[in-house]
Amino acid sequence: EIVLTQSPGTLSLSPGDRATLSCRASQSVLSRYLAWYQQKPGQAPRLLIYGVSSRATGIPDRFSGSGSGTDFTLTISRLEPEDFAVYYCQQYDSSPTWTFGQGTRVEVK
Amino acid sequence: QVQLVESGGGVVQPGRSLRLSCAASGITFDSSAMHWVRQAPGKGLEWVAVISFDGSTEYYADSVRGRFTISRDNSKNTQDLQMNNLRSDDTAVYYCAREYVESGWYHRAFDYWGPGTLVTVSS
Repeated sequence: EIVLTQSPGTLSLSPGDRATLSCRASQSVLSRYLAWYQQKPGQAPRLLIYGVSSRATGIPDRFSGSGSGTDFTLTISRLEPEDFAVYYCQQYDSSPTWTFGQGTRVEVK
Repeated sequence: QVQLVESGGGVVQPGRSLRLSCAASGITFDSSAMHWVRQAPGKGLEWVAVISFDGSTEYYADSVRGRFTISRDNSKNTQDLQMNNLRSDDTAVYYCAREYVESGWYHRAFDYWGPGTLVTVSS
């Protein structure tokens, strides 16, 4: 089973800052199948990015995804107040199994 | 608009059973692979199970295989999760989620989620 490790655990930033979140896989991930989600307290997750770098419907272009193999990144170019939340990466492998990283919390500095 | 609404959560004793349901609207349900994903209190997300668009194929996480059964009724736009022999570590919010499909290609990500239903396993 592929394990996803996200870093850092918590990112303390200010509105307007650039956020860079990392997701590292224990084995190479099929690039089509790496996604990112945002979750706010008391809410269901929201799909931000699929296929490593494709934005889901309605997601602002300040969110971007990149990477390949075992190393993937979610970048938020300029943090808006509504972007402070927990972010999860997720991968699919052919077992089939879907697995999530443990999450990165982006908090207000 | 798209709505996924879970029901059936509650407090149950260890070893007992519970059945969750998810009612879908606003999507082409009978073309959608459907999943259950759970989140223990204060913890991260864990995929639980998937059922194919026609109900012919099911897959489970190792942690629930043999105890949980996923099913669907395309005539009613619903999917269920039968949970047997519940354990304390099954305590979580259970989310119903649709797998993102675009032009017949399954992206293996979850584009629509319900608000979740809380299952608490406790004596």
